[in-house]
Amino acid sequence: SAVISQKPSRDICQRGTSLTIQCQVDSQVTMMFWYRQQPGQSLTLIATANQGSEATYESGFVIDKFPISRPNLTFSTLTVSNMSPEDSSIYLCSVVGAEGAFFGQGTRLTVV
Amino acid sequence: QQQVKQSPQSLIVQKGGISIINCAYENTAFDYFPWYQQFPGKGPALLIAIRPDVSEKKEGRFTISFNKSAKQFSLHIMDSQPGDSATYFCAAKIQGAQKLVFGQGTRLTINP
Repeated sequence: SAVISQKPSRDICQRGTSLTIQCQVDSQVTMMFWYRQQPGQSLTLIATANQGSEATYESGFVIDKFPISRPNLTFSTLTVSNMSPEDSSIYLCSVVGAEGAFFGQGTRLTVV
Repeated sequence: QQQVKQSPQSLIVQKGGISIINCAYENTAFDYFPWYQQFPGKGPALLIAIRPDVSEKKEGRFTISFNKSAKQFSLHIMDSQPGDSATYFCAAKIQGAQKLVFGQGTRLTINP
């Protein structure tokens, strides 16, 4: 299974600011996935990040709000832009290996 | 059609009992059905997974039962222990894709 490291693990941010979340994987992967988990809720896919191309966003998520970078096969960032309290969630990075999909420990974001 | 419906929302089981969580889907293009276990403050951890060409898969105390004709699958936790208290998510993957669609989650509590 892949080892996925996310930074920061948690943050409290002022509304209107932006936060960039980093995801580092211990092996090269073609696709990396970013999910959002709102308080007490399930996981919702934000976007799929491919190395060397633009991220693919799911319905309801836009690049201006959640810009993603994928500079190489082991690293990706997700930025939550112009934050509001509704963005308070856990943001999770995920990769798929031969045994299935694996997740980082998540970034718990609180917007005040 | 992309949804996976999970029940119950919460479940309380006595120590030593059997915990059963159910999921249903509509999309026949799903070809991989994993279950995830999530503890507070942690990312989801892959527990067990099944493909639709088998009806049952067992790993230790955890069993997935799969009914292709009914488009249902379930997780059974035998001899449930307090350490099993967590939130459980079923998920499904479309054939040819890597992203997952998640059920709503079940908060399981095992009483000692």
